[in-house]
Amino acid sequence: DIQMTQSPSSLSASVGDRVTITCRAGQRISSDLHWYQQKPGKAPNLLIYTASSLQSGVPSRFSGSGSGTDFTLTISSLQREDFATYYCQQSYSTPYTFGQGTKLEI
Amino acid sequence: QVQLQESGPGLVTPSETLSLTCTVSGGSINSGGYYWSWIRQHPGKGLEWIGYMYYSGSTYYNPSLKGRVTVSIDTSKNQFSLKLASVTAADTAVYYCARVPAAISYACDIWGQGTVVTVSS
Repeated sequence: DIQMTQSPSSLSASVGDRVTITCRAGQRISSDLHWYQQKPGKAPNLLIYTASSLQSGVPSRFSGSGSGTDFTLTISSLQREDFATYYCQQSYSTPYTFGQGTKLEI
Repeated sequence: QVQLQESGPGLVTPSETLSLTCTVSGGSINSGGYYWSWIRQHPGKGLEWIGYMYYSGSTYYNPSLKGRVTVSIDTSKNQFSLKLASVTAADTAVYYCARVPAAISYACDIWGQGTVVTVSS
């Protein structure tokens, strides 16, 4: 299985901050990397697919980059509704695997 | 727009079979290009891919579940289902169904709201 490691595990930030979350794959996964946002008691919500493509309806303050083994999710100016847990997921090879999550707190 | 809704028992007895159904509305489960998937999240933990099925019948199951998993599709009801046999307390989790388009490299673009399943006697 491909191990996905996110850093940091938790992060404190303020409204208006620029935030970057990193995801590292245990082997090269091309651009088969996706980002999700999950709020308490809710299902994950797709933000970014194939490393850098913005899902329809997702605000443009979210962006993704990277390929190979190292990927980043950036939120350019944090809004109150962005405080949540973020997960990366690889779909390069089965079983598809997720990172352990990054909890973004005020 | 397409919506997914999980249903099934919230409590399952150890060693029994967990059975869940996901009803797809707003679109056809027969439409090509989508894999219909099950993913779970243990309490306070991360996400684990269980398996998926294509409407034509091809399936994939996570080997970590050691052959206990079956995913099936009922096109007449626009539903797909999960069966997980010989459950233990370790199978207690929130279970999500999700749509996975091949066109976006198997990201999950639509999720059900999730259903809590507890394994306990």
